[in-house]
Amino acid sequence: QVQLQESGPGLVKPSETLSLTCAVSGGSISSGDWWSWVRQTPGKGLDWIGEIYHTGGTNYNPSLKSRVTISVDGSKNQFSLKLSSVTAADTAVYYCTRNGAWSLDHWGQGTLVTVSS
Amino acid sequence: EIVLTQSPGTLSLSPGERATLSCRASQSVNSRYLAWYQQKPGQAPRLLIYAASSRATGIPDRFSGSGSGTDFTLTISRLEPEDFAVYYCQQYDSPPRYTFGQGTKLEIK
Repeated sequence: QVQLQESGPGLVKPSETLSLTCAVSGGSISSGDWWSWVRQTPGKGLDWIGEIYHTGGTNYNPSLKSRVTISVDGSKNQFSLKLSSVTAADTAVYYCTRNGAWSLDHWGQGTLVTVSS
Repeated sequence: EIVLTQSPGTLSLSPGERATLSCRASQSVNSRYLAWYQQKPGQAPRLLIYAASSRATGIPDRFSGSGSGTDFTLTISRLEPEDFAVYYCQQYDSPPRYTFGQGTKLEIK
């Protein structure tokens, strides 16, 4: 059973870069799946940020594309999210997921990131 | 961009009753690309249904999905106490993008 665990700072200052990592266990990140980041805010609900393949190929939500970088480290079996120039609107619970059949079939427990000075 | 609208916003029912949740898309959606999730307070969403009608691993058969085109439905045949939660529909689009409905809260009456 694949398990995912997010980690990273819970507080980020405005205009700085949010950085999170997702550790994958119970399976290999090089298994042929895509891996995504999703965030959830009370006001906007669930918002897909982007996805990555183990070879490094990526797709991003057009609304965030200019600020997002997702990368993968196969040797550590993990992938990462960077979101630049953050504002209070980026305060959310961030989840990492494994992509299934055009759906997201395994989720991490989520990590709350607050943007505040 | 395809927009998903879920109704009702809140559904109040009693255990043992049947729940019918709706998800309407602003444009036609390939049925393979429609999924449903359950989320309980403080937890991550859990995949229930993918490809509009296929149950995910370990999901009880009281959960079923149906629909095509722009109208999709999640049905819970007999509500158990643990089924009271928020439910989201999700669609996959091209270029690759996942979008979610705003959710339906299923609460105990």
